[in-house]
Amino acid sequence: EMKLLQSGGGLVQPGESVRLSCVGSGFTFSNFGLNWVRQAPGKGLQWVSGIDGFGQSAYYADFAEGRFIVSRDNSADTLFLEMNNLAVDDTATYHCVKVLPTGYYYDLWGQGTRVIV
Amino acid sequence: VLTQIPGTLSVSPGDSVTLSCRASQPVDDFIGWYLQRPGQVPRLLIYDASKRVDDIPARFSGSGSGTEFTLTISGLETDDFGTYYCQQRFDWPRTFGPGTRVEL
Repeated sequence: EMKLLQSGGGLVQPGESVRLSCVGSGFTFSNFGLNWVRQAPGKGLQWVSGIDGFGQSAYYADFAEGRFIVSRDNSADTLFLEMNNLAVDDTATYHCVKVLPTGYYYDLWGQGTRVIV
Repeated sequence: VLTQIPGTLSVSPGDSVTLSCRASQPVDDFIGWYLQRPGQVPRLLIYDASKRVDDIPARFSGSGSGTEFTLTISGLETDDFGTYYCQQRFDWPRTFGPGTRVEL
C-alpha cells in the first residue's frame, strides 16, 4: 500500500522557521514528483511547492518564493519543506502529495501536518 | 482562476448531481476533480476532464474542455457527501477551485 507519512509542524511565532518531513512507502519514491499543498482552517486547497523525482527542479507559489525551500532525500524516501519567516497567513494544514504519473494531479496525500503561526 | 458554482448543494441519496467548474481562460482538458470527505484528505476522482482514477466507481463521470467542466454523480451515495474541488494543470501555479460542498 502506498503511503505518505508526515511529521513536523506545530506552533511557531511570526518570523520563525519550521521544517516539515514526509516519508513515502509502498512505491519507488525517486520515480515521482512530489508537491506540497496547504489548506487554511475552513478554507480550500492551495498549491505551495513542487519538486521533480531527481530533486533537481523545484517550483514555488509566489507566496512561498524566497521563504520556503522544498527538497528531497531519495536515499531515505523523504520529502522536506523548510518554511522560513513565517507569517500568520501561513497557518494551515500542509499536505505532501504524490504527482500522478500521467499528469500533474495528486493521487496520494499525506495525512497533513498543522502549522500554526 | 477556477470558479465552482454553487458553493453548497443540498441533495438526497439517490439523486443525480452535476457540479460545475469554470476556468477564467482555456485550460484544454487539463482539469481534475477531488472529493474531500469531512475530516479526511482529498481523493482524486477524475483527471484530464474525463478519465476516472482506478477504483473510483462508474457513477462518477467528468466532461468538458476549454473553460467549462462538469462532474456528474449518477445516484449519489452516502459516501459521496463532502466538498468537491476542481484543479487545473494547464498553467503554473497549479490552482484549485473554491469547492462545492455537497450536503444532505
